[in-house]
Amino acid sequence: QKEVEQNSGPLSVPEGAIASLNCTYSDRGSQSFFWYRQYSGKSPELIMSIYSNGDKEDGRFTAQLNKASQYVSLLIRDSQPSDSATYLCAVRGSGYSTLTFGKGTMLLVSP
Amino acid sequence: DAGVIQSPRHEVTEMGQEVTLRCKPISGHDYLFWYRQTMMRGLELLIYFNNNVPIDDSGMPEDRFSAKMPNASFSTLKIQPSEPRDSAVYFCASSSRWSRQETQYFGPGTRLLVL
Repeated sequence: QKEVEQNSGPLSVPEGAIASLNCTYSDRGSQSFFWYRQYSGKSPELIMSIYSNGDKEDGRFTAQLNKASQYVSLLIRDSQPSDSATYLCAVRGSGYSTLTFGKGTMLLVSP
Repeated sequence: DAGVIQSPRHEVTEMGQEVTLRCKPISGHDYLFWYRQTMMRGLELLIYFNNNVPIDDSGMPEDRFSAKMPNASFSTLKIQPSEPRDSAVYFCASSSRWSRQETQYFGPGTRLLVL
């Protein structure tokens, strides 16, 4: 049974701070890792993907992957109230297999 | 492109009734996924298709659930008979094996309430 674990939160940060979201996964053979953002009442949308160990930066977002520790994180710099949403971590095994989603972490950014 | 289209957006029905959810994937995408999302269980994969063929339906909770994809531009998820515990948001997503990130694009979802 593949599992993806996230702290449900809410994670509360003030505007302008760095938000750090974490995710662990059980399948050591996992190859691809994704962060989706889901606003309340809306559908998930992809914001970051990462495939190899290390950091990947895209604007204010940085994804970090450590396969040895089976750990993925998402950093959001200069957090804005518009970043308030639930962030879903998703993991894919080898080849074109399906995604396993965590239950998500709710982020609240206060002005 | 209009993105993934789902209908209806909201459905309220009574226990025992048949419910049919519809999905039109993004044109050219060869994978289609049906998910269910609840607070308790999060986002769960129910079934997925590749080139209109069901590949894995192990997530379908019971025989009351069935899904079809008669052509590349249309899929249905049917619940018969429906039960209150089926109340959830049902998402359809599509992707292309040949896109760079193999991103799954989600539809707006169908919010189902079974009374």
